Amino acid sequence: SQQGEEDPQALSIQEGENATMNCSYKTSINNLQWYRQNSGRGLVHLILIRSNEREKHSGRLRVTLDTSKKSSSLLITASRAADTASYFCATDARGNKLVFGAGTILRVKS
Amino acid sequence: DAGVIQSPRHEVTEMGQEVTLRCKPISGHNSLFWYRQTMMRGLELLIYFNNNVPIDDSGMPEDRFSAKMPNASFSTLKIQPSEPRDSAVYFCASSHAGGRQPQHFGDGTRLSIL
Repeated sequence: SQQGEEDPQALSIQEGENATMNCSYKTSINNLQWYRQNSGRGLVHLILIRSNEREKHSGRLRVTLDTSKKSSSLLITASRAADTASYFCATDARGNKLVFGAGTILRVKS
Repeated sequence: DAGVIQSPRHEVTEMGQEVTLRCKPISGHNSLFWYRQTMMRGLELLIYFNNNVPIDDSGMPEDRFSAKMPNASFSTLKIQPSEPRDSAVYFCASSHAGGRQPQHFGDGTRLSIL
């Protein structure tokens, strides 16, 4: 079974709106990572948040981590058409390797 | 900077044929990962190497799959004999020092077994 589960499975918004994606996981982690995948391409690392951090920012991205609820969220502010992609969370719970969730498909309409 | 390079980008072959996928990791990275992505099962880790040594191959589906890393700059994933259910996109990724670090992915090989 997958360690990280993203919610929602798909999200469609207008350009300029904010997009929020959630990730839940089951066991303790050292860090949680978010990746983006454009159609036909490999995954691209966006941000890593450690278990002792609660929030992290990178440009228009904001990631939060709540270890008591075993959940994380990725917020993309002022979305653009170019943000259209699949977004995955990945956790390192299973030893020295990452386990990826099923992903959220984000569509930003211009 | 060159990223992770995979070849071929697309492969179409008939059932029973041998398939070899190739990967060149980012120079200086000492961990390499092979993943398989399908609609049904998502992204699955097949095997990963640290310093050219296979560390965990528990995700390799069966004996028809094998992977090698003869040196720090090259790895192969081989399927022999191939079956239609092996059709998927296969990704190679590399990172510094272990699976917990950010991973850099190639653009994948889209494999179709007829």
